[in-house]
Amino acid sequence: EVQMLESGGGLVQSGGSPRLSCVVSGVTFSSYVMNWVRQAPGRGLEWVSSISGRGDYTYYEDSVKGRFTISRDNSKNTLYLQMNGLRAEDTAIYYCAKGGCNGGSCFSDYWGQGIPVTVSS
Amino acid sequence: DIQMTQSPSTLSASIGDRVTITCRASQSVSTWLAWYQQKPGKAPKLLISKASTLEGGVPLRFSGSGSGTEFTLTISSLQPDDFATYYCQQYSSYSLTFGPGTKVDIK
Repeated sequence: EVQMLESGGGLVQSGGSPRLSCVVSGVTFSSYVMNWVRQAPGRGLEWVSSISGRGDYTYYEDSVKGRFTISRDNSKNTLYLQMNGLRAEDTAIYYCAKGGCNGGSCFSDYWGQGIPVTVSS
Repeated sequence: DIQMTQSPSTLSASIGDRVTITCRASQSVSTWLAWYQQKPGKAPKLLISKASTLEGGVPLRFSGSGSGTEFTLTISSLQPDDFATYYCQQYSSYSLTFGPGTKVDIK
């Protein structure tokens, strides 16, 4: 059974730099693309970033490019999202999501429970 | 970026109704299209990938069709557990995009 345990986030000041983590078990972690998806309060789903299985390719939504960094440690089965220069519009629940493929752009077949990130001014 | 639209934005239906949700892409995504179901306070759940491939454990009353720029999600006979918001997502490009969602509520 695939399990995903997210941590980090919470209440952060504007301009802050939290790091989100997601530990994945029940699957060969290094074989799959991983995604971060967020959902602002009362809004729809928004893709944030993706990383290839080996971590050699990364992709970002335009509004976070240059501020957020996705990474992974395959020895620890852990996905990260380093968030810098947070803005009010970054307030959302952030989901760690496992890609359903081993390369390229991909749908998400398993999702974490979500981590709330609230940016205060 | 590829833009996704969905219609309707809200759908009121009764138990047993056949329900169809439409998703359109601003350019062809071939069949690189997924559908998700999300209930309040919960993470999304993958229903369908590659436009029409039903994920394991998803009831057979759910089906997906389409290719190119127009796609549909059909629930053949709406059940109480199906009241939720449904999102389409294209994964044709590395910049993934979701549709705005369709909320299915009780008539």
